[in-house]
Amino acid sequence: AQSVSQHNHHVILSEAASLELGCNYSYGGTVNLFWYVQYPGQHLQLLLKYFSGDPLVKGIKGFEAEFIKSKFSFNLRKPSVQWSDTAEYFCAVNAWGAGSYQLTFGKGTKLSVIP
Amino acid sequence: DAGVTQSPTHLIKTRGQQVTLRCSPISGHKSVSWYQQVLGQGPQFIFQYYEKEERGRGNFPDRFSARQFPNYSSELNVNALLLGDSALYLCASSHETGANSPLHFGNGTRLTVT
Repeated sequence: AQSVSQHNHHVILSEAASLELGCNYSYGGTVNLFWYVQYPGQHLQLLLKYFSGDPLVKGIKGFEAEFIKSKFSFNLRKPSVQWSDTAEYFCAVNAWGAGSYQLTFGKGTKLSVIP
Repeated sequence: DAGVTQSPTHLIKTRGQQVTLRCSPISGHKSVSWYQQVLGQGPQFIFQYYEKEERGRGNFPDRFSARQFPNYSSELNVNALLLGDSALYLCASSHETGANSPLHFGNGTRLTVT
């Protein structure tokens, strides 16, 4: 069974600082990778996804993530955060061949951006 | 377009009772999935339904059951509630069943078991 590990529980940054949130997964086969974001009081929203091809994926609101297969990692980055990026971020993986479309999520990283 | 809608938004039940949670997918979406999110954890997969058939089931006891109706809406039932069932229950819909069809989540139903 696959699992997802997010390294940081809570990250606090000042506006304009750079962001990198770590995500590692364990699964030996082919995977699809996702980052979801949950803004305060809102539902989970898809930030970006990786299926195949270019390992550097660009998402909404200036976020990007890099898939490094050899490291089983899919870290999320943003060059300059804004106060509006305050949210909880979840990394998720879907293993191919599982027979159904089921995401395995990490525990999430809460990001607080200080104005 | 309306997003995924879930009802009720909040629910308080007593141990041993039964609960039914409801979900209406985005119009045109044929697949509905259910996830449980315990405080401080990421969502955990419970069920996926596609075209009214169960396509997948997570590691949950038989007290959890679900179904999908001809209009693609869905219900999640939990019998013999335990304190540990207290969580946010999320419904997600997608157009198809594969990973190429992203999941769209609702706001969830917060269940408290006392």
